[in-house]
Amino acid sequence: QQQVKQSPQSLIVQKGGISIINCAYENTAFDYFPWYQQFPGKGPALLIAIRPDVSEKKEGRFTISFNKSAKQFSLHIMDSQPGDSATYFCAARNPGTASKLTFGTGTRLQVTL
Amino acid sequence: NAGVTQTPKFQVLKTGQSMTLQCAQDMNHNSMYWYRQDPGMGLRLIYYSASEGTTDKGEVPNGYNVSRLNKREFSLRLESAAPSQTSVYFCASSPDRGPSYEQYFGPGTRLTVT
Repeated sequence: QQQVKQSPQSLIVQKGGISIINCAYENTAFDYFPWYQQFPGKGPALLIAIRPDVSEKKEGRFTISFNKSAKQFSLHIMDSQPGDSATYFCAARNPGTASKLTFGTGTRLQVTL
Repeated sequence: NAGVTQTPKFQVLKTGQSMTLQCAQDMNHNSMYWYRQDPGMGLRLIYYSASEGTTDKGEVPNGYNVSRLNKREFSLRLESAAPSQTSVYFCASSPDRGPSYEQYFGPGTRLTVT
C-alpha cells in the first residue's frame, strides 16, 4: 500500500527552466513533509521540509507548495541548473514513536545545457 | 564528525549465506533506521530503533534482524540471504525532536545475492 504517490518518475528540464515534482498522500495524520535529494552513489540528504500548517516554504531556488485540502504537495526548482541533476524523493512523517518517514518512489531529474 | 558510517560499501553473497551490515552514528541521535532502496520503489523502511534497547518492524522486515548495540550502533543481519534481498541498504539516524525531524543517511551498502 503506497501512502505517498510521486510523479513524474523522470523529468528532463533545460538549464534555467522550472522543475516541478508532485506528491500526493492519503494519511491525514502525517505531520511533516520533507524532500530529499540523492546524487548517484550517495545517501539521500534533506533538501527542504514543510509542516501542514504552512502553504509554502521557500529556500533559495527551492520551494515547497502544500495543499492540505487536496492532500498534495510539490517541489519547485527555479532556474534549474545541471548541478541539480539528481533523484528527488518526497516523504511524509508518521507521528508517534520515532520519526518514521514514508517515501515516494522518486523522480530522476536531468537538467540539460 | 563522520556523521553516519556504514560498512561494508559493497558485498556479494551466495544464496543462503549470512552477513551483518554495520552502522554507526556520532551525532548522539536517539533514533536509527534501516532502509532498502530498489529501482522504482523508493526507500522502504526495514526496521527502526527509537532509542537504545528498542527495535520495531518497518514496512519490509521479513528476512532481516536488527540489533541496537548501544546508542551509536545499529546493525542489520541477513540470516539466509535470498536473491530478492539484492538491493542498496541505507542506515539513517535522527534526533527525532521537533521542529526538525531530519534523518541523516549513510553512504549505503550495495548488496548482491547470487
